[in-house]
Amino acid sequence: GNSVTQMEGPVTLSEEAFLTINCTYTATGYPSLFWYVQYPGEGLQLLLKATKADDKGSNKGFEATYRKETTSFHLEKGSVQVSDSAVYFCALSPSGSGNQFYFGTGTSLTVIP
Amino acid sequence: DADVTQTPRNRITKTGKRIMLECSQTKGHDRMYWYRQDPGLGLRLIYYSFDVKDINKGEISDGYSVSRQAQAKFSLSLESAIPNQTALYFCATSDQQGTEAFFGQGTRLTVV
Repeated sequence: GNSVTQMEGPVTLSEEAFLTINCTYTATGYPSLFWYVQYPGEGLQLLLKATKADDKGSNKGFEATYRKETTSFHLEKGSVQVSDSAVYFCALSPSGSGNQFYFGTGTSLTVIP
Repeated sequence: DADVTQTPRNRITKTGKRIMLECSQTKGHDRMYWYRQDPGLGLRLIYYSFDVKDINKGEISDGYSVSRQAQAKFSLSLESAIPNQTALYFCATSDQQGTEAFFGQGTRLTVV
C-alpha cells in the first residue's frame, strides 16, 4: 500500500537554526513526492516537490531530495525564520492514472526570535 | 480570487442535522477531493472524484456523501451530523497527472 510517515512534532527552534523534518514513504512504483505547508488559518499550499529519484525540490530556502534507496524525502532549511512557523506535511502521489494523494500526519514548527 | 473556494468557512451545527459543505474550483481540473484534518491524524481522504461521473470512497467515507454537480463543483454532505465529525474540512483539486494538489482554505465544522 501507499503511506507516508513523518517526524512527530511539535518542533521548536530558535531563529537561524537548522531545520530537518524527516519523511519516509511506502509506495508502489515511482511516486511523486511533495512537501506542503499550512500557515495558521489557511489551507495547504505546495512548498516543493520531486518527481523522480535523486531529484531535489527547493523553494524559499527549503530543500528535499528524493531518495529511492532509503524511501525518504526529508525537508531541510539552513536558517529558519519566525515566518516559517507553520505545519508541514509530507505527501506522495503514486505513479499511474489512478493516483490520489497520501499525506503524513503533519509536523508543527514554531520558530522563536 | 482563490483557485479553490469553500463555503462556509465556519459552521456550528447540532447533532442530527444535515449539513452541506460546498467547494468550487477555477483550475479547470477534473479531479477533486474532500479531506478531513484532525490534530495528530493529518489529512484523511473522505471522497474523491476523477470526473463528473466518477465518485470514489476514501479512507473514512462512513457518515458522509458527496455530489459532483459539475466539473467545477464538488459538495460534501453530512446526512446526520455527530460530534466526532467536528473537524477542519478541506477540498482540493488536481490535474490528471497528479502534479500538484490545490487546496481551499478549509471549513471548520463544529457539531454540538
